[in-house]
Amino acid sequence: KNEVEQSPQNLTAQEGEFITINCSYSVGISALHWLQQHPGGGIVSLFMLSSGKKKHGRLIATINIQEKHSSLHITASHPRDSAVYICAVRPGGSQGNLIFGKGTKLSVKP
Amino acid sequence: GAGVSQSPSNKVTEKGKDVELRCDPISGHTALYWYRQRLGQGLEFLIYFQGNSAPDKSGLPSDRFSAERTGESVSTLTIQRTQQEDSAVYLCASSWTSGIIAEQFFGPGTRLTVL
Repeated sequence: KNEVEQSPQNLTAQEGEFITINCSYSVGISALHWLQQHPGGGIVSLFMLSSGKKKHGRLIATINIQEKHSSLHITASHPRDSAVYICAVRPGGSQGNLIFGKGTKLSVKP
Repeated sequence: GAGVSQSPSNKVTEKGKDVELRCDPISGHTALYWYRQRLGQGLEFLIYFQGNSAPDKSGLPSDRFSAERTGESVSTLTIQRTQQEDSAVYLCASSWTSGIIAEQFFGPGTRLTVL
């Protein structure tokens, strides 16, 4: 079993829909990252959080440390949101390495 | 300022040859990470440098893989006697510290193909 599990693996949505991507992990962590990987391969860090909730524009990330679960929400989705969204956790006590989920491929249709 | 840069962007090599991949982190970033992404797979941690501390090599898959970093600047990932399973995109990231609040900035990656 992977230490970081994401669901769904693939997601197709219509423009304007509210989207939720889930991440569950099985190890103790000091932080959780949400990353966005565009079709060209470039990776951008969206959020880094260790508790609670963060919001940036149409993106919202939440984490529940007790339940070892995080969600990434996209409101009013747009075709330019189409990308692979990756959850990564930093194990507690680690020097800095991340453990990655396999990613969720999102396709937003106009 | 400039982001993380990597070179080459693409590398095709023959099985058994050695390759060197280069990463230039963002100036001032003390932490530097190497990751690998094989086709259809998730990212895997390879190695981590933080300032002058001993690197965390726990992710290196075999002794054919090694990495060096000069101070807090350029890093080189070397793969000796390449195998076809080494084909992947190799990503470098840097952050201004290794602390838990440190956001990692990723380079564009080097796509390695071993024939």
